[in-house]
This record gives sequence, C-alpha cells and structure tokens, in this order.
Amino acid sequence: EDQVTQSPEALRLQEGESSSLNCSYTVSGLRGLFWYRQDPGKGPEFLFTLYSAGEEKEKERLKATLTKKESFLHITAPKPEDSATYLCAVRAFSSGSARQLTFGSGTQLTVLP
Amino acid sequence: DAGVTQSPTHLIKTRGQQVTLRCSPKSGHDTVSWYQQALGQGPQFIFQYYEEEERQRGNFPDRFSGHQFPNYSSELNVNALLLGDSALYLCASSFSGRGNTGELFFGEGSRLTVL
Repeated sequence: EDQVTQSPEALRLQEGESSSLNCSYTVSGLRGLFWYRQDPGKGPEFLFTLYSAGEEKEKERLKATLTKKESFLHITAPKPEDSATYLCAVRAFSSGSARQLTFGSGTQLTVLP
Repeated sequence: DAGVTQSPTHLIKTRGQQVTLRCSPKSGHDTVSWYQQALGQGPQFIFQYYEEEERQRGNFPDRFSGHQFPNYSSELNVNALLLGDSALYLCASSFSGRGNTGELFFGEGSRLTVL
C-alpha cells in the first residue's frame, strides 16, 4: 500500500527564517511526486511535479527536491503570504490509467511578520 | 479561462439523506476525479471518470456513486449519509490524451456537513 508521511505537522517561522518541510514516501514504483499548496477552505493549488531522484524544481521562494525515499520543500526567506498547508502526494505505476494521487496529511505553515 | 468549478460551496444535510455535488472541469480537460478531505487530513481518492465511465475507484462504499456527462462535467452522489461523511469534497480535472503531464487541477470544493 502506498504511504506518504509529512513532517512536521505544523511549523511556525518568523518572516525571513528559512526552513524545510519533509515528505517521506513508500510506493511500489514512483510515477511522480507532487507538491500542492492549500489555503483554508480552498482547493489544493499545484506547485511542482518531480519524477526522478536528484530532480529539483524552483518557484519564487520555494524549491522542491527528490530522493529515492523522500522529498523536501525548502522555503527561503518566507513571507506571511506563504502561510498555508503544504500537501505532498505520490502517484504510483500501480495506479494504472487513473493515475490517482495518494496524499499525506500536510504541513501547516505559519509565517509571522 | 475558467478553472474547475464546483457547486454548491456549502451544504448541510441530516443523517440518512442523499446529496448530489457537481463539477465542471477546466477547459480542455476530459477527466474528472473526486476526492474527500476530512478536517486536518489530506485528500482521499474516491473515483475517477473518463469517457463517461468510472475508470477507477478508491476504498469507498457503494453509497458513493458518480456520473460524467458528454460535456465532461460530473456529479458525485452520496446516499444514506453518515456523520462521518462530513468533509470537503474536491473535484480535480485533468487531460488524459497524448502529451498529458498528469497534473490535477482542483476546484474550491464543496463543504458537506452532516448533522
């Protein structure tokens, strides 16, 4: 069974204080690892897809990296508007044509001014 | 370009009732997936519709059913509601044709409260 574990569950940072969020996964053949941002009461917003170990992607203050067992979302010099829940999800080859995602429970990030 | 739209945004039902949620996919998308997100949890896959048929189903009982229409829009139906069905129901659309990257685009969700 595919599993995704995110840590920490919650993280409070001061504005400008860089940190990383962790996503550990167990999957029978990784077809893709996805990062989403979710604001309260809203649907998840797509951030990145990573396909193979060693791959990195960046978007503004965010950088996602991937190893064979985990992914990190690095946040550099965060701002209060980066406050949100960050969700990690995996897609396995076993998901077939449906390509459904298995999500972790998320990390709730709060950036204080 | 309209994104994924869902209706209603909020609704309240009582145990035993039935509910229908609706979703219009992003323009150009032909596949609709439904996810259930309980408070404080990540979304869980319910099922996916493609070419008006259920292509795959997650670990949800038969009380959960769906439909896809020729214009690619979709409905999620839940019968005999239980308190535990209270959640945010998310619709996600994607394109299944050649060149697709597999990214899912989510709607804002329908918040269902069962009393």
